[in-house]
Amino acid sequence: SQKIEQNSEALNIQEGKTATLTCNYTNYSPAYLQWYRQDPGRGPVFLLLIRENEKEKRKERLKVTFDTTLKQSLFHITASQPADSATYLCALVPYSGGGADGLTFGKGTHLIIQP
Amino acid sequence: EAQVTQNPRYLITVTGKKLTVTCSQNMNHEYMSWYRQDPGLGLRQIYYSMNVEVTDKGDVPEGYKVSRKEKRNFPLILESPSPNQTSLYFCASSLYGTSYEQYFGPGTRLTVT
Repeated sequence: SQKIEQNSEALNIQEGKTATLTCNYTNYSPAYLQWYRQDPGRGPVFLLLIRENEKEKRKERLKVTFDTTLKQSLFHITASQPADSATYLCALVPYSGGGADGLTFGKGTHLIIQP
Repeated sequence: EAQVTQNPRYLITVTGKKLTVTCSQNMNHEYMSWYRQDPGLGLRQIYYSMNVEVTDKGDVPEGYKVSRKEKRNFPLILESPSPNQTSLYFCASSLYGTSYEQYFGPGTRLTVT
C-alpha cells in the first residue's frame, strides 16, 4: 500500500544549526512534492514545491531535495531560529493529479529549535 | 488580503443535529477541498471540487456532503453528526488543482457529543 513516512518523534536542534527533516515514500510515483509548515491549531502554510525532474529547490534559508531513486525528500532549514519551531508536513502529488489521489500528506515532523 | 476563511472557528454540537461549516476564498481559485486532521492520522481529504458544480469524494467522505454553487464558496455539511466526526477541519484552495500550492483556512474545531 502507499505510504508516506516522516519522523514521528520530535526533532530537537540547537539554534543556528541546520535542521534536516526526512520524508520517505513507498508505492508512489510522485510528480510533485510539497512541504508545508503548521503551527499548533492553525492551517498549514505552503513553503516549497519540487518537481520530479528537479533535484533541489531553494528559498531563502530553506532547501528541499528530491531523490526518486531513494524515494526520499529532505527538507533543510539553515541557520535555524526558535521561530522555525513548528510541525513540517510533506505532501505528494502523483502523476494522475486531481483531488482524492492528488495530494496525500505525511503525518508531519515536530521541529523544536532550542535557544 | 488573499485568504481562505472558515466559519465557525469552534463548534460544539450534539449527535444528529445538522450543521454547516462555511468556506470562502477571495483568490478566484478553481480548486477547493476539505480536510480533517486527527492526532496520529494526519490530514485526510474529505471532498474536493475542481470547479463550480463539480465535486468528488476524497479519502474519507462518509457522513459529509458538499456543494459548489459559486466559485468562492465551498460549504461542508454534516447531515447527522456523530462523535467520530469530532475533529479539526480545514478548507483549502488552489489555482487549478493539487499541483499548485494549497492555501489553507484557519480551521474549524468541531466537537460532537
